[in-house]
Amino acid sequence: GQQLNQSPQSMFIQEGEDVSMNCTSSSIFNTWLWYKQDPGEGPVLLIALYKAGELTSNGRLTAQFGITRKDSFLNISASIPSDVGIYFCAGQPSGGGADGLTFGKGTHLIIQP
Amino acid sequence: DTGVSQDPRHKITKRGQNVTFRCDPISEHNRLYWYRQTLGQGPEFLTYFQNEAQLEKSRLLSDRFSAERPKGSFSTLEIQRTEQGDSAMYLCASSLDGPFQYFGAGTRLSVL
Repeated sequence: GQQLNQSPQSMFIQEGEDVSMNCTSSSIFNTWLWYKQDPGEGPVLLIALYKAGELTSNGRLTAQFGITRKDSFLNISASIPSDVGIYFCAGQPSGGGADGLTFGKGTHLIIQP
Repeated sequence: DTGVSQDPRHKITKRGQNVTFRCDPISEHNRLYWYRQTLGQGPEFLTYFQNEAQLEKSRLLSDRFSAERPKGSFSTLEIQRTEQGDSAMYLCASSLDGPFQYFGAGTRLSVL
């Protein structure tokens, strides 16, 4: 089945640093989504990407949809304490938006004071 | 609050018992999804409804699992004869004709 490989598994950074994480797939996805999940809560949608090569920003977050449609990265600039959490990439194979999402295992972001 | 609502937030049950969870999607969202999430993993897709029709089921949805969305609004997920391996967070998401899936806070199931 389809699998998404996320890296790194965890990151320990200082407040104010930039963060970069990525996601690769063995198969093509036509939509990529990035979510953040806090403990005991559901994932919250951060950014959605629709077109190969697309670069999209949402505040301090920037994400790109790889040209091959098999990868995506998420950057967070100038990290702050509330950025702590688990970041998931998710892919959707079809362009119609109806399929269930395939998620990676997450990148756990920890910010050291 | 107009987000996705799930009830209960926590459920503790004994092995062999049946449990039912409820999900209320965002108003007017026609698509509703159920996912399961175990510790250290991302959510795994279980099933999906468009209005009241169940259009897709994953192989993870064993015969002990059943989901309904009788009037195209709220949905229920029932697990019969629960097993310890069913312990997980059960997440519901909804969307309106597009890939943006908005998740509820989940129901955490513990099977003793």
